[in-house]
This record gives sequence, C-alpha cells and structure tokens, in this order.
Amino acid sequence: ETGVTQTPRHLVMGMTNKKSLKCEQHLGHNAMYWYKQSAKKPLELMFVYNFKEQTENNSVPSRFSPECPNSSHLFLHLHTLQPEDSALYLCASSQGSPGGGYTFGSGTRLTVV
Amino acid sequence: AQSVTQLDSQVPVFEEAPVELRCNYSSSVSVYLFWYVQYPNQGLQLLLKYLSGSTLVKGINGFEAEFNKSQTSFHLRKPSVHISDTAEYFCAVSNNNNDMRFGAGTRLTVKP
Repeated sequence: ETGVTQTPRHLVMGMTNKKSLKCEQHLGHNAMYWYKQSAKKPLELMFVYNFKEQTENNSVPSRFSPECPNSSHLFLHLHTLQPEDSALYLCASSQGSPGGGYTFGSGTRLTVV
Repeated sequence: AQSVTQLDSQVPVFEEAPVELRCNYSSSVSVYLFWYVQYPNQGLQLLLKYLSGSTLVKGINGFEAEFNKSQTSFHLRKPSVHISDTAEYFCAVSNNNNDMRFGAGTRLTVKP
C-alpha cells in the first residue's frame, strides 16, 4: 500500500465510451498529478492540481478532462479516446514542499479498442 | 528549468554482479535529486533521495547514490544485484517549487 490508491487497475474501453479514472490519497498532501506512461516513451505530465486548483495543463487533448473535488481525490474523465491513448495512467501526490518528492499510485492500465 | 538525462536506456547484468545506473542533471538553482524504481504494471516507488548534507545517500534494497555537484551527476549503485532487482529505474530532479522532472528511465535486467 503506497498511500495513493488508483481504481480501476485495468480498463478496456471502446472509442465511443465514457469512463473515469479515480485517484485517492490520505497522506495529507496538497498537490496531485496525472501522468501518462506509454511504452518506450518517457513519463508525460498531464495535469497538476495544488490545493484543488489546476496549475498545469500540458497541452492535453480535451478528450481528457480532470476533476479535483478536494485535496484527497482526483479524477480523470475520458471520452472518445483513440487507440494511441492506451497507456498506464499514473496518479501521484506530494506535500508541495521543497524536496518532498512524489508518492505514486499503482496506475490504471488503459486499453482503447 | 531543470532536466535529467539517463545515459543508458538498458543495462543487462548478471546476478551478484555490481551495477551502476548513470544520471546527469542540469539546473541553474539548487536541486533535490531522486531515484525511483518501477516494477511491471506498478507505480513508481522511491528508492532514495538527496536533499542536502552527505553526498552519499543510502536507500532501500541495498541501493546507494552519490551526488557529485561538479559533474552534475547522481549515479545509482548496488554492489551485488539480485534477480528481483529487474525493473525500470528513473532518476528525477526537483526544485524549490517541487516541480519534478523525470529521466527517460533505465531498464535493468538481471540475468541468472
């Protein structure tokens, strides 16, 4: 148990489906992050939330929509995805203080068919 | 902005041999350095971190890393690896804003 829980662990969805990924942390952290990890590619930072406010959006397509209702929960809403969106989606949290590092969840393995 | 370069994308090594995974960083300000490990279909787990003080940092699973400011390096080492050390290893650097940048990863494969 890493302190950051992601559900579901695996998800298969069609290109016309709508689904959501969930991330939850009870570490008292103030910042939460979504990363995309594709095969043979570096980690891609998608979104950053600090105290529930989105502070970074790295040119992510609008078919990915984040939601952060409180400091403990983070969602990634998915709709009309493409096969190239298949990847491991990782959530992380941090205290936000210098040198604090990030705590990662186990990820959601997403396959778009 | 800071950045990280992991010099080897893959490192094959035999069991019980020593290993070094190389990491170089660039930054114009003080940095904090990290090594993470990722096992298949898992998230990243913190191995060790350098914040300040002693340049030799010891982490979990027998790993250690040495911060070298003049060479802007933070190489990860283990004197004797096990099959279970097979994983992807990521070097990362962050600044006072806790803005973290990851390297592309090094795939360590330990062979019997």
